[in-house]
Amino acid sequence: EMVLTQSPGTLSLSPGERATLSCRASQSVRSSDLAWYQHKPGQAPRLLIYGASSRATGVPDRFSGSGSGTDFTLTISRLEPEDFAVFYCQQYGTSPYIFGQGTNLEIK
Amino acid sequence: EMQLVESGGGLVQPGGSLRLSCAASGFTFRSYEMTWVRQAPGKGLEWVSYISHTGSTIHYADSVKGRVTISRDNAKNSLYLQMNNLRVEDTALYYCARFTKFWSAEYYHYGMDVWGQGTTVTVSS
Repeated sequence: EMVLTQSPGTLSLSPGERATLSCRASQSVRSSDLAWYQHKPGQAPRLLIYGASSRATGVPDRFSGSGSGTDFTLTISRLEPEDFAVFYCQQYGTSPYIFGQGTNLEIK
Repeated sequence: EMQLVESGGGLVQPGGSLRLSCAASGFTFRSYEMTWVRQAPGKGLEWVSYISHTGSTIHYADSVKGRVTISRDNAKNSLYLQMNNLRVEDTALYYCARFTKFWSAEYYHYGMDVWGQGTTVTVSS
């Protein structure tokens, strides 16, 4: 069964800085079938990216996704105060549609 | 407004059963694939189950396989999760989410783009 490993576990940055979050799969993700979600406490998760690099409706263009095969990246070009949250990658190419363990992006 | 509202959570003893429901509104429910995702206290998101728009294709996480049944009633715009033989480790906030297919010129991708606010399941003696 595939495993998604996200790094770092916690990322401490300041507003205005650039954030780079990694998601590594234990085997190749079929056809870049990978999504990214943002999750804030007390709220439902929010879809950011699907297909590894396509932004979901309403997602600001400071969020971008890249990668293929086993290595994927979510980049937030310039952090806004509302961006701080936990971020998850998820593969949906083959069941089970597992999530990574998450990266906690916190304010420094 | 597109909306998903979960219900049916509660406190249950180990070995007990619960049936979670998810009521959809604001979109054509029968046209969408659906999923259940859970989050245990202090833990990350865990995908639980998937069902196709007609119910003909179903998948489960290994952690719940054989104890959980996903189903849907398109006439009632509702999604269900029947949970049996519950364990302490099933304690979590359970979300239903719409699993939308996004088409591009050459391929399609998926994403969970509409979520409910969740219903809490607590398994404890």
